[in-house]
Amino acid sequence: DAGVTQSPTHLIKTRGQQVTLRCSPKSGHDTVSWYQQALGQGPQFIFQYYEEEERQRGNFPDRFSGHQFPNYSSELNVNALLLGDSALYLCASTYIGDNSYEQYFGPGTRLTVT
Amino acid sequence: DAKTTQPPSMDCAEGRAANLPCNHSTISGNEYVYWYRQIHSQGPQYIIHGLKNNETNEMASLIITEDRKSSTLILPHATLRDTAVYYCIVRLLYGGSQGNLIFGKGTKLSVKP
Repeated sequence: DAGVTQSPTHLIKTRGQQVTLRCSPKSGHDTVSWYQQALGQGPQFIFQYYEEEERQRGNFPDRFSGHQFPNYSSELNVNALLLGDSALYLCASTYIGDNSYEQYFGPGTRLTVT
Repeated sequence: DAKTTQPPSMDCAEGRAANLPCNHSTISGNEYVYWYRQIHSQGPQYIIHGLKNNETNEMASLIITEDRKSSTLILPHATLRDTAVYYCIVRLLYGGSQGNLIFGKGTKLSVKP
């Protein structure tokens, strides 16, 4: 049973560019959340998708957008990249009917903005 | 902002119990205490959660004080593989559409031979 997978593992972009990160949830999961983790900090919640809609959003600008597909996989898009967007981007999945709401995290995508 | 306070770092000898404290003095009656850990270069991993009773699973034990203002995560026999950053999180327990995780900086646990 594959866990949460993310692609790519590493990415280097230039300021002003746009980037798309991808996430496949754990089998049986229908809800995907995205987190940003700067170096030395804990992960910060970006947004969550369920039934192909954004259900919750953290304190992130509109440059951060996402999408969820019918197969529950998800994309995170970041426009007009800034140096401060350099971070580890984590995807987490869960099943909405799970009472424990344990989130399963992927290994992350390391984004470097130069 | 995170609603928990944890020491930034702790050391533990291999084979001994690791006791990681967490203060959550503003916790409300319907908020649970969750613990996750993050081993270097990996995503966070769920460990355990509880409301007011002590909980135990194959990874750890969670002791919550009677007033629920603090808790302790216990790794009974720490190994070198338990070296990680441990996060204590309080959150509401809803379905998947609410209550996402708010991480602080956690406690960096170093298990030494």
